[in-house]
Amino acid sequence: QQPVQSPQAVILREGEDAVINCSSSKALYSVHWYRQKHGEAPVFLMILLKGGEQKGHEKISASFNEKKQQSSLYLTASQLSYSGTYFCGTESGGGADGLTFGKGTHLIIQP
Amino acid sequence: EADIYQTPRYLVIGTGKKITLECSQTMGHDKMYWYQQDPGMELHLIHYSYGVNSTEKGDLSSESTVSRIRTEHFPLTLESARPSHTSQYLCASSGTLDSLDEAFFGQGTRLTVV
Repeated sequence: QQPVQSPQAVILREGEDAVINCSSSKALYSVHWYRQKHGEAPVFLMILLKGGEQKGHEKISASFNEKKQQSSLYLTASQLSYSGTYFCGTESGGGADGLTFGKGTHLIIQP
Repeated sequence: EADIYQTPRYLVIGTGKKITLECSQTMGHDKMYWYQQDPGMELHLIHYSYGVNSTEKGDLSSESTVSRIRTEHFPLTLESARPSHTSQYLCASSGTLDSLDEAFFGQGTRLTVV
């Protein structure tokens, strides 16, 4: 089942912060975060595993609440290059149910 | 840089034709995925595989089929293309079953069925 992302869209001024949320009704094994720019393939940002392990880019931070099956991506001091669509992907079933993505959050950074 | 390749990049084909979209990766990944994505829209998981001779259907009902005879190769076939199949198809791969690895995406195949 597809994870639910919020908000659907965000418009920020350069330098402002944003939080993107992702939730699932299934017990999650892992949460993945990707950013996609128009006409390009999705690019990896962060992966969080049940149990606390995580891996990602230095300037990106995220959290994973295992009890609530929720994850949040934190974008601080946003830059123009942060614009794009952010997708949350989840694996459940111990990691055997495929990597399923939410509908995405469109982020626009204005100068 | 990710070593995952999709061919062709663009394809225009007539209704009723059989087509195969190719996806290959040279990273030795066990997990491979096919997604369908319309411009600016969500990624729909249509097929995935966790190893040779292992294939599963994803959340989106699809008339396509896949095979995984070799670790590096995960082709997707449409037996009879229809205009409703017009979309972008993205292939991805990620590590092994027991590893915490991100998915790498190919550049996609943009399919138009006329």
